[in-house]
Amino acid sequence: DIQMTQSPASLSASLGETVTIECRASEDIYNGLAWYQQKPGKSPQLLIYNANSLHTGVPSRFSGSGSGTQYSLKINSLQSEDVASYFCQQYYDYPWTFGGGTKLELK
Amino acid sequence: QVQLQQSGAELVKPGTSVKLSCKASGYTFTSNHMNWIKQTTGQGLEWIGIINPGSGGTSYNVKFKGKATLTVDKSSSTAFMQLSSLTPEDSAVYYCARSGSYVMDAWGQGASVTVSS
Repeated sequence: DIQMTQSPASLSASLGETVTIECRASEDIYNGLAWYQQKPGKSPQLLIYNANSLHTGVPSRFSGSGSGTQYSLKINSLQSEDVASYFCQQYYDYPWTFGGGTKLELK
Repeated sequence: QVQLQQSGAELVKPGTSVKLSCKASGYTFTSNHMNWIKQTTGQGLEWIGIINPGSGGTSYNVKFKGKATLTVDKSSSTAFMQLSSLTPEDSAVYYCARSGSYVMDAWGQGASVTVSS
């Protein structure tokens, strides 16, 4: 199975700040990577797919980048509604696997 | 709009089975695959498997083979997941999620399963 290592596990940032979350795959996943946001008590919601494509309706302050085994999610100008957990997920190969998650809080 | 409505919370005894449902609306049910995902505090998110509602074809995470069985009822646009021989380790929130072009772009609200005697 492809292992997805996500960092940091938790992150505290101020409103308006830019934050970056990293995800490393145990092998090349050829941009087959998605990012999800999950708010407490809710289901995950798709933010980014194909490593850098913004899902419909997602604010443009979210962006994804990377290639090979290294990927990142950037949130520009952090808003209060961005407080959530974030997960990366590879869909290059079965079984699809997720990173351990990053819990983003306000400082 | 696309909606996936899951069945409610379950409290079940060890050794028994449970069948969860996921009713789709707002799109053509057979046009997208349906996935099931397990979420626990300790293990995070785990992909269980995928079913093609049109053909009934499935692919499972080896970890869940023998534990989960995925089926669909095209007439009611509903996907099902049966979990068998339940143990406390099966206690989790289970999600169904539609995949389009591989990506899971719509998720159900989740169904909590608690296995306890």
